[in-house]
Amino acid sequence: QKEVEQDPGPLSVPEGAIVSLNCTYSNSAFQYFMWYRQYSRKGPELLMYTYSSGNKEDGRFTAQVDKSSKYISLFIRDSQPSDSATYLCAMSETGANNLFFGTGTRLTVIP
Amino acid sequence: EAQVTQNPRYLITVTGKKLTVTCSQNMNHEYMSWYRQDPGLGLRQIYYSMNVEVTDKGDVPEGYKVSRKEKRNFPLILESPSPNQTSLYFCASSEAGRRGYTFGSGTRLTVV
Repeated sequence: QKEVEQDPGPLSVPEGAIVSLNCTYSNSAFQYFMWYRQYSRKGPELLMYTYSSGNKEDGRFTAQVDKSSKYISLFIRDSQPSDSATYLCAMSETGANNLFFGTGTRLTVIP
Repeated sequence: EAQVTQNPRYLITVTGKKLTVTCSQNMNHEYMSWYRQDPGLGLRQIYYSMNVEVTDKGDVPEGYKVSRKEKRNFPLILESPSPNQTSLYFCASSEAGRRGYTFGSGTRLTVV
């Protein structure tokens, strides 16, 4: 079993839709949870960073962590064509020392 | 501009020919790391460094070497590349483990 599981998609939604992306994990020691966005031929770009459980909001993006269920989510409101990318979840026990990544979900937002 | 710079962006080489991929960051970050990205496997850590002269293995270190002689540079060395090292490589840096990693633009390596 992989440390981090993520549905690879692909996921296609119309512009303006609410997008929900999810990851599950098996290591209960993970405390730091991140979401990265990766455009084609680019490196991953940090979107959201949270510590422990709870919600964090940044503009149209909301990250949720449920440590009791070992489940994290990223919600994108009012999705835009520019949100079309691959979204990677990542998590760590101690910070950035070693991040465990999901395989990524490819999202397409259709105008 | 704060960034992680990798070179080259693309590289095709032959089995057994030593190569080095360079990585430099201008953010004075303590942590640096190398990842490889493969379809279906995601990003996997090769090596990391928590400061100058401090390096350690990640999840897939076999066939790779690194060094950290200066804070800003963290080259990845393949002494004898093999076809199974064909992959997309990313260098990344972080401020002492906080706030996640900043990634470079990647190096696509093909070993024939």
